[in-house]
Amino acid sequence: ETGVTQSPTHLIKTRGQQVTLRCSSQSGHNTVSWYQQALGQGPQFIFQYYREEENGRGNFPPRFSGLQFPNYSSELNVNALELDDSALYLCASSPRTSGVPHEQFFGPGTRLTVL
Amino acid sequence: AQTVTQSQPEMSVQEAETVTLSCTYDTSESDYYLFWYKQPPSRQMILVIRQEAYKQQNATENRFSVNFQKAAKSFSLKISDSQLGDAAMYFCAYRIDSNYQLIWGAGTKLIIKP
Repeated sequence: ETGVTQSPTHLIKTRGQQVTLRCSSQSGHNTVSWYQQALGQGPQFIFQYYREEENGRGNFPPRFSGLQFPNYSSELNVNALELDDSALYLCASSPRTSGVPHEQFFGPGTRLTVL
Repeated sequence: AQTVTQSQPEMSVQEAETVTLSCTYDTSESDYYLFWYKQPPSRQMILVIRQEAYKQQNATENRFSVNFQKAAKSFSLKISDSQLGDAAMYFCAYRIDSNYQLIWGAGTKLIIKP
């Protein structure tokens, strides 16, 4: 069984650019959550996707957006990059049955550096 | 607002000894879940143990156990017989029942001395 994978592993962008991060969920998992983890801090919830729709959002501006595809993989898009967007971006997938979310399994993350 | 606090930025323990990591949380909910995650230098977040708030019995997973004090809103992790592979950042996290969002503490760096 393949776990959660993320690409790329590292990325360097300049301020004002746009970036797309990708996540493949674990087999059988239909829910994907994205987290931002700044250096030395705990993760912060960005949003979650379930059945291709955003299913909850944390305190992040609209320039953070996402997609979920029919195969449950997901993308995180960040527009107009700012220096403070430099962080590790974690994707987590989970199964969801009867509307109840279950355990989240994490990918290895994408390290984004904004210069 | 729901918050999770880990008051120990760093802990160290001798190999084979026992260490306890502290976590407190603030919530007005009655049904929720608590988790301890481990994040080694490889960055991948790994679930160590989880506790359902409605269960009075403390969760145990091999060398890992928790002390869940619901009234005190405390959720500590005890690691017995510490091993070099236990060295990592440990995060305490909280989620209310049927919700989607994990709320995290700032983490505790655990150092294992050989």
